[in-house]
Amino acid sequence: NAGVTQTPKFQVLKTGQSMTLQCAQDMNHEYMSWYRQDPGMGLRLIHYSVGAGITDQGEVPNGYNVSRSTTEDFPLRLLSAAPSQTSVYFCASSYRDQGYGYTFGSGTRLTVV
Amino acid sequence: AQSVSQHNHHVILSEAASLELGCNYSYGGTVNLFWYVQYPGQHLQLLLKYFSGDPLVKGIKGFEAEFIKSKFSFNLRKPSVQWSDTAEYFCAVNGNNRLAFGKGNQVVVIP
Repeated sequence: NAGVTQTPKFQVLKTGQSMTLQCAQDMNHEYMSWYRQDPGMGLRLIHYSVGAGITDQGEVPNGYNVSRSTTEDFPLRLLSAAPSQTSVYFCASSYRDQGYGYTFGSGTRLTVV
Repeated sequence: AQSVSQHNHHVILSEAASLELGCNYSYGGTVNLFWYVQYPGQHLQLLLKYFSGDPLVKGIKGFEAEFIKSKFSFNLRKPSVQWSDTAEYFCAVNGNNRLAFGKGNQVVVIP
């Protein structure tokens, strides 16, 4: 049981480049979310999904795009990378009954130069 | 949308000291409350959670938290910390299909 798998673990991008951060879970969780973690800011919600085909914006959605074509996968796309998007990105998933808590991936450390 | 406040962002204490981290939230509906821990260089792990029943919740590694509905609080406690408790601690509240986090408490335990 792999849990939540994020790839890549590290990435360096040049300003203006695009890329996709991958997230996959094998727990049949309905809910999936993307967060970014910055020092002193905690974790801020970028986008989330309550099921396949359904996505919604979180606190800081600008510059990011998501889709949820399957229950297992929830990729995060950076359309045109900016230095302000330098951060650690975490994907998380949960059952619909979120009282069980979210399971987090190991994170992707992204640097935009 | 819900929001979470954590106080005393940086805490330094000696081994065997007691730890209490405050967490206050704002949300008008039914909430689920969580504390997560992030050890240096690692991802978040669930420490404990509350969603109903006994407001005193016991988690892993000797941590506990008390939900006080009238104060909108969910404070984390540990009677005697160890060096291995050095980590960042995040309070989170779930509501309206979203999990919102506080800004975290960086806890350093000195041997």
